[in-house]
Amino acid sequence: QVQLQESGPGLVKPSETLSLTCGVSGASMSSGYCWGWIRQPPGKGLEWIGSMYYSGKSFYNPSLKSRVSISLDTSRSQFSLILNSMTAADTAVYFCARRVEGSSNIDYWGQGTLVTVFS
Amino acid sequence: QSALTQPASVSGSLGQSITISCTGTSSDVGKYKYVSWYQHHPGKAPKVIIYDVNNRPSGISNRFSGSKSGNTASLTISGLQAEDEADYYCLSYTTINTWVFGGGTKLAVL
Repeated sequence: QVQLQESGPGLVKPSETLSLTCGVSGASMSSGYCWGWIRQPPGKGLEWIGSMYYSGKSFYNPSLKSRVSISLDTSRSQFSLILNSMTAADTAVYFCARRVEGSSNIDYWGQGTLVTVFS
Repeated sequence: QSALTQPASVSGSLGQSITISCTGTSSDVGKYKYVSWYQHHPGKAPKVIIYDVNNRPSGISNRFSGSKSGNTASLTISGLQAEDEADYYCLSYTTINTWVFGGGTKLAVL
């Protein structure tokens, strides 16, 4: 069974950089899937952050594009999110997820990790 | 990119049917078949219930169905059950190779 698990700091100071990792188990990070990040600020809805294909091609939310980067490490079965210049508005539960390529089906999600920007 | 428009809340009685709309534009919902729906119980991971407008993943009840007309996609839940009470989100692909979620709809089962 495929499982995704986020890891990283729960607290980040304003202006610092957030680094999260998503460990993938139960499946290889092969072609045919796209790996990405989604977040949910407290009391608000889901927001797509960005995603990366096995080929290395990546796409990002235009509102975050200047601050965000996603990378894959298939040899370690994990992928990562970097978000620079954090502010209070970036406080959210961050989910990692897998989407089936050529489809709108996000079939596996991590449980989510709360990141709070706090000075 | 702006979030797709969903009603903030809907409600229905046990056994009844409800429909949640998801309105976008000709640059997202109206252009592609890539619309999916997610059920989210707070504190848990969201779960896909409909993908590519009207496809149900294995294991999802046939009480859930999806459709699309023009720039609006819809999710219908028939035979409402208590466990259907959750937040529901639509997701669409866009012409700029990104994805956009709806604002979310809270379903109350009375």
